[in-house]
Amino acid sequence: AQTVTQSQPEMSVQEAETVTLSCTYDTSESNYYLFWYKQPPSRQMILVIRQEAYKQQNATENRFSVNFQKAAKSFSLKISDSQLGDTAMYFCAFMGTQGGSEKLVFGKGMKLTVNP
Amino acid sequence: DTGVSQDPRHKITKRGQNVTFRCDPISEHNRLYWYRQTLGQGPEFLTYFQNEAQLEKSRLLSDRFSAERPKGSFSTLEIQRTEQGDSAMYLCASSPYQGHTIYFGEGSWLTVV
Repeated sequence: AQTVTQSQPEMSVQEAETVTLSCTYDTSESNYYLFWYKQPPSRQMILVIRQEAYKQQNATENRFSVNFQKAAKSFSLKISDSQLGDTAMYFCAFMGTQGGSEKLVFGKGMKLTVNP
Repeated sequence: DTGVSQDPRHKITKRGQNVTFRCDPISEHNRLYWYRQTLGQGPEFLTYFQNEAQLEKSRLLSDRFSAERPKGSFSTLEIQRTEQGDSAMYLCASSPYQGHTIYFGEGSWLTVV
């Protein structure tokens, strides 16, 4: 079974700084997808960024980028120029392609606070 | 394009009562998922539909839980004889077939007292 581990339960950063959130996963599959989701307090789970395992190029979305190390099974999220609105729980998630359901397996999450 | 919508957003019920949650997926998304999230944890998979067929259920889904998706459109999740341990947020999500991306609703909070 796949597992996702987020070892940092909480981080804080000053506005405009850069922060990196770490995530490791375990799987025997060779083709899969990795995601970072953001969940602001009492609000909806929002997709931040997606990485396809067969693509070597790291995904980027504006201020958000990932460092995907397939051999190490590591998938970190870098947030540049942090904004107050980035304050949220961040979840790393894995989606396998075997079995057909494409369900997500989540880590426990990390609480990020951006301070003014 | 409306997102995934869930109703009710909040429900407080007494132990032993039945509750039902409704989810309307993004239109034309034929895959629909239910997840459960407790405080301080990531969401856990409960069940998944492709169109009207329920194709996978987690062992977390006890026989007090039942989900349906008639006609492959909206879905309902019913919890019978609620217990305090059922208190959680129930998240619905949808995706297009082999779209490899899942979109979540705002969740339905359940408190069992």
